[in-house]
Amino acid sequence: EVQLVESGGGLVQPGGSLRLSCVASGFTFSRYVMSWVRQAPGKGLEWVSGISGSGGSTYYADSVKGRFTISRDNSKNTLYLQMNSLRAEDTAVYYCANDGGWYFELWGRGTLVTVSS
Amino acid sequence: SYVLTQPPSVSVAPGKTARITCGGNNIGSKSVHWYQQKPGQAPVLVIYYDSDRPSGIPERFSGSNSGNTAILSISRVEAGDEADYYCQVWDSSSDHHVFGTGTKVTVL
Repeated sequence: EVQLVESGGGLVQPGGSLRLSCVASGFTFSRYVMSWVRQAPGKGLEWVSGISGSGGSTYYADSVKGRFTISRDNSKNTLYLQMNSLRAEDTAVYYCANDGGWYFELWGRGTLVTVSS
Repeated sequence: SYVLTQPPSVSVAPGKTARITCGGNNIGSKSVHWYQQKPGQAPVLVIYYDSDRPSGIPERFSGSNSGNTAILSISRVEAGDEADYYCQVWDSSSDHHVFGTGTKVTVL
């Protein structure tokens, strides 16, 4: 079955860190650009970060640049998002998505990150 | 940064056609993609490259893109089409994906 499964979300204090994971199955993971997209409670979608199939190129939204790091392990079919210096405004459901080049054709169910003291 | 503007809400009677606009500067020169999101669920791609439909998406969903406006049309609207809809483009000038502000479609 073609799917993406995120994990690693939870409650963290402001200034803290968290690492999200996304395990892919049912397709050739290494061939695809992958992205993280988030959605704050009651708000719209916001692209966070993307990474090329080889991992050699990475892209970040201005709101997270310098604080978040995207990476991947193609031997484990896994995408990661290391989130440091977390702020209240980073509270959101984080989705990983298969980036078809220009659009997101497959999404995971998401993992909730709550930044609060 | 590139901005995509959508109306916050669109209401439509069952069986009629809903049209959701997505405005952006010269958006006609970009490829526009559309997602449907129902409460508590992940988004689902319904239109890509302006007007192509993924397998499994009904023909009732169609798209167009020209000038400064892209449009998602849903014909013969059903209760099950009630959802939030988002447009999205890749902005090559910033190497960023950009989402529209989102439109809530209500079936009367």
